[in-house]
Amino acid sequence: GNSVTQMEGPVTLSEEAFLTINCTYTATGYPSLFWYVQYPGEGLQLLLKATKADDKGSNKGFEATYRKETTSFHLEKGSVQVSDSAVYFCALSDNTDKLIFGTGTRLQVFP
Amino acid sequence: DVKVTQSSRYLVKRTGEKVFLECVQDMDHENMFWYRQDPGLGLRLIYFSYDVKMKEKGDIPEGYSVSREKKERFSLILESASTNQTSMYLCASSPNDRTVFNEQFFGPGTRLTVL
Repeated sequence: GNSVTQMEGPVTLSEEAFLTINCTYTATGYPSLFWYVQYPGEGLQLLLKATKADDKGSNKGFEATYRKETTSFHLEKGSVQVSDSAVYFCALSDNTDKLIFGTGTRLQVFP
Repeated sequence: DVKVTQSSRYLVKRTGEKVFLECVQDMDHENMFWYRQDPGLGLRLIYFSYDVKMKEKGDIPEGYSVSREKKERFSLILESASTNQTSMYLCASSPNDRTVFNEQFFGPGTRLTVL
């Protein structure tokens, strides 16, 4: 079946460091891919998405490229801030109305 | 702005109680979802609904039921709460519009503790 695997956390970085959170997926067909972010005490909100191979999603300085050849959708940011501390979820939609989520990766950024 | 609201942010119940979690969305979305979120397990789908009075089981429906009498409201019911249902419960909605590629909009969550 379809699944999403993302790196375990926590990921701990200093402010202005480079961030990568790995995400790989297993799916039949051509899924859409998403990154959601959950700030402390809040629900999830969409960070970015990509709907076909080689698409790059971007928002708030975060980027992820849909790589069909490696079945990956890694999240990157060039310079993290303390305010980026949150839990990040990778997800896929296999063109049904449901999303399949990874287990989440906690990011902690220290000044 | 899409808004999904949940009736409580924190709830404490006793084992065996019947528990109702309410979710309301204001964007006329057809689809609504209930998830539970547990550390190390991510989000797991409990139930979802494509339309009023329609419901489908997700991955972990045991011990739960749902009700959707109006388009904007989707209720999760724990018939007899147990301690292993202590969790964060998240409601989400999405339009039945493939042009948005199934983006879901989430409520703030209800942290339920069953004693």
